[in-house]
Amino acid sequence: SAVISQKPSRDICQRGTSLTIQCQVDSQVTMMFWYRQQPGQSLTLIATANQGSEATYESGFVIDKFPISRPNLTFSTLTVSNMSPEDSSIYLCSVEAGARRNYGYTFGSGTRLTVV
Amino acid sequence: GNSVTQMEGPVTLSEEAFLTINCTYTATGYPSLFWYVQYPGEGLQLLLKATKADDKGSNKGFEATYRKETTSFHLEKGSVQVSDSAVYFCARYNNNDMRFGAGTRLTVKP
Repeated sequence: SAVISQKPSRDICQRGTSLTIQCQVDSQVTMMFWYRQQPGQSLTLIATANQGSEATYESGFVIDKFPISRPNLTFSTLTVSNMSPEDSSIYLCSVEAGARRNYGYTFGSGTRLTVV
Repeated sequence: GNSVTQMEGPVTLSEEAFLTINCTYTATGYPSLFWYVQYPGEGLQLLLKATKADDKGSNKGFEATYRKETTSFHLEKGSVQVSDSAVYFCARYNNNDMRFGAGTRLTVKP
């Protein structure tokens, strides 16, 4: 299955600033998924990013707050904009682990964001 | 609402104890079921999966059986080790939708 390199692994940011998280996949994938994992909680899907089209956002997430780029089939970025302490979370990117969707997902190692 | 319900943690066990983490799901049709593990400071790793009823997924001594009649996919291990300390997530995939349970933190003490 694919291997994902995600960076940064962690960051501490001032409120009102923005942070861009990058994910690089070692193979071409159609869809990439961005998740948020708030402290002690499960994963919540932020958006699905397809190459060559606008990302599809889940309810409660908007493009102005979480702009996503998907310039090619191996790379994507998620920006957390105008951050507040409530944005402190782990952010994870993922891709489908195999040719069929029921193979599950492969995840990046996560970005642990603390907003102060 | 969340369509995957798993046993609340934290769970603390002694080394070599038997582990069960319960997971039930709601879905139409025939979802695929997964267990993921998240070690401290890391992302999620796929631990095991089952794609149809009565399938048993297994890996690293962990097992889970897809029980459609009880809509369950309980995770078991006969003898846990300290290195199994992690957060375990049950998940189901159906109709282009992957849903995760809330996670169960397991701590294994020597």
